[in-house]
Amino acid sequence: AQTVTQSQPEMSVQEAETVTLSCTYDTSENNYYLFWYKQPPSRQMILVIRQEAYKQQNATENRFSVNFQKAAKSFSLKISDSQLGDTAMYFCAFPNTGNQFYFGTGTSLTVIP
Amino acid sequence: EAGVAQSPRYKIIEKRQSVAFWCNPISGHATLYWYQQILGQGPKLLIQFQNNGVVDDSQLPKDRFSAERLKGVDSTLKIQPAKLEDSAVYLCASSLALQTQYFGPGTRLLVL
Repeated sequence: AQTVTQSQPEMSVQEAETVTLSCTYDTSENNYYLFWYKQPPSRQMILVIRQEAYKQQNATENRFSVNFQKAAKSFSLKISDSQLGDTAMYFCAFPNTGNQFYFGTGTSLTVIP
Repeated sequence: EAGVAQSPRYKIIEKRQSVAFWCNPISGHATLYWYQQILGQGPKLLIQFQNNGVVDDSQLPKDRFSAERLKGVDSTLKIQPAKLEDSAVYLCASSLALQTQYFGPGTRLLVL
């Protein structure tokens, strides 16, 4: 069974600084996707970034990038030039072969002005 | 492109009452999911539909929860009777087959 672990319940970062959120997972599969979602106080889950396991290159979306270590089963999210609007819960998600998502417990990120 | 739509956005009911939530997925998305998110936790899958068929409902409390997607587009999730522990956000998501899931704004349910 897939498991997803986010070991940082809360984090904070100064505006314009860089922060890294951690995620580890467990799977016996070889080809899969990994996702980071952002959930602001409105509670809507917003896709931040997606990584395909067969790609060695780490995914990047503007200020968001991942450090994907397949052998270590680690998938961390780096946010550069943090902005006040980045304040939210961040969830790491891992789908099984049926595309049923397993979510971590989330990391609450606060950007301090 | 319109996103996933859900209604109502908020609902307050008393225990033992019934409630229904509605979801309209992104046009063309064959797969639809309902998640329950209790405060302080990540979302938990309740049921997954592929067109109008159920793919997985192993975590749906079938004694009180039911869901349908009759024409393979809109879906309804019902709780009857509601319990205090059903207070949560109910998220609907859709995807093109086995790809990225896109979420709606959610319905916040409070059971008193």
